[in-house]
Amino acid sequence: ILNVEQSPQSLHVQEGDSTNFTCSFPSSNFYALHWYRWETAKSPEALFVMTLNGDEKKKGRISATLNTKEGYSYLYIKGSQPEDSATYLCASISSNTGKLIFGQGTTLQVKP
Amino acid sequence: DSGVTQTPKHLITATGQRVTLRCSPRSGDLSVYWYQQSLDQGLQFLIQYYNGEERAKGNILERFSAQQFPDLHSELNLSSLELGDSALYFCASSPVRVATGELFFGEGSRLTVL
Repeated sequence: ILNVEQSPQSLHVQEGDSTNFTCSFPSSNFYALHWYRWETAKSPEALFVMTLNGDEKKKGRISATLNTKEGYSYLYIKGSQPEDSATYLCASISSNTGKLIFGQGTTLQVKP
Repeated sequence: DSGVTQTPKHLITATGQRVTLRCSPRSGDLSVYWYQQSLDQGLQFLIQYYNGEERAKGNILERFSAQQFPDLHSELNLSSLELGDSALYFCASSPVRVATGELFFGEGSRLTVL
């Protein structure tokens, strides 16, 4: 993996469904992995920043895991609500480039 | 409110012109990042400054330049504008040199080149 890639590109779920997204990033020279939530007409807001392999972070119904050896992170949303509708961005920084590079995002639409 | 201020919020100009986008970081933040979001594209990294010095550079065009001033505000200068430069330009700040902590984003400056 040379870039940060996110899947799926978009997701439509019903209220109450649990869902998860994937972020793949270069595993060599890994430094940190960020997750952001970006609502329409607003600016991105941080959810989590993770640096250690095996890190798990949780904020309410949202949680994330990190595997730096294989270069992926999962974001989980338990019991999706309409207000969870947003684009979820991940970004990775490696120690050799120092650049925080974002993926294309996963757009989640939660139907009531 | 993230504490990051970007001006102007909207800007419409013509091809060939030059514009300056301004960013005031959160109080105490030393790092400023610039990102470009074009139609159907993700956030493209342009450049990062830390305490007045350029720290990391992305695929920033030669027609674009940036700087961070002693009071830590930053400006992104875009010259010889082309239609394809129409985009939302975000500034973000953080207190540290390397992004091991979250970035705080401004509301963006939407540039339209006609």
